[in-house]
Amino acid sequence: QSVLTQPPSVSAAPGQKVTISCSGSSSNIGSNDVSWYQQLPGTAPKLLIYDNNKRPSGIPDRFSGSKSGTSATLGITGLQTGDEADYYCGTWDNSLNPGGVFGGGTKLTVL
Amino acid sequence: EVQLVESGGDLVQPGGSLRLSCAASGFTFSNYAMNWVRQAPGKGLEWVSYISGISGVIYYADSVKGRFTISRDNGKNSLYLQMSSLRVEDTAIYYCTRWSSGYHYYYEYWGQGTLVTVSS
Repeated sequence: QSVLTQPPSVSAAPGQKVTISCSGSSSNIGSNDVSWYQQLPGTAPKLLIYDNNKRPSGIPDRFSGSKSGTSATLGITGLQTGDEADYYCGTWDNSLNPGGVFGGGTKLTVL
Repeated sequence: EVQLVESGGDLVQPGGSLRLSCAASGFTFSNYAMNWVRQAPGKGLEWVSYISGISGVIYYADSVKGRFTISRDNGKNSLYLQMSSLRVEDTAIYYCTRWSSGYHYYYEYWGQGTLVTVSS
């Protein structure tokens, strides 16, 4: 059971747009910035979005992020078959036992 | 270029011990906090442990507290994870990750991972 809640899967056709939600609580998303990671099959995760809505160098602007209250959203426009991957949200939790927390991951299928 | 290279993964029996290493290059290692993140087969990401750059601040996930010990040698640009009393549920790929700088909360770089299998 992950601390952050994501839908297990989403799907859309090439060229379309998809959003992935990430829900947390006041001690994690409500207090800290959210990041998103893309994990292509058989590879290590890669930073996709940081500080809620910033993209590292090399990440296309088809990827976007937002945060409101205790929830965050990853958006992907102009879907490509190469976007098929698992996507994870993450942040820090300020509870009695501080530490990193992740969502359970969302499998994106580009139909 | 930032590089993180993990090693030490192996097949170990339940109750056994193992030490993972992560060799870092391409940045001033002591300036950055580091984390271990793991991923069980077919499962999602799970944060394991955090260690600050110099001040020695350390955190552990409840699932490994008292059994795992994170450490670093800034002179050797290396991060370690000493794992003891290993359980079947510790089976996972273990990733070494570089924490963001400043007051930010993200894993900026990831290694390729090393596989730990706990089985009799």
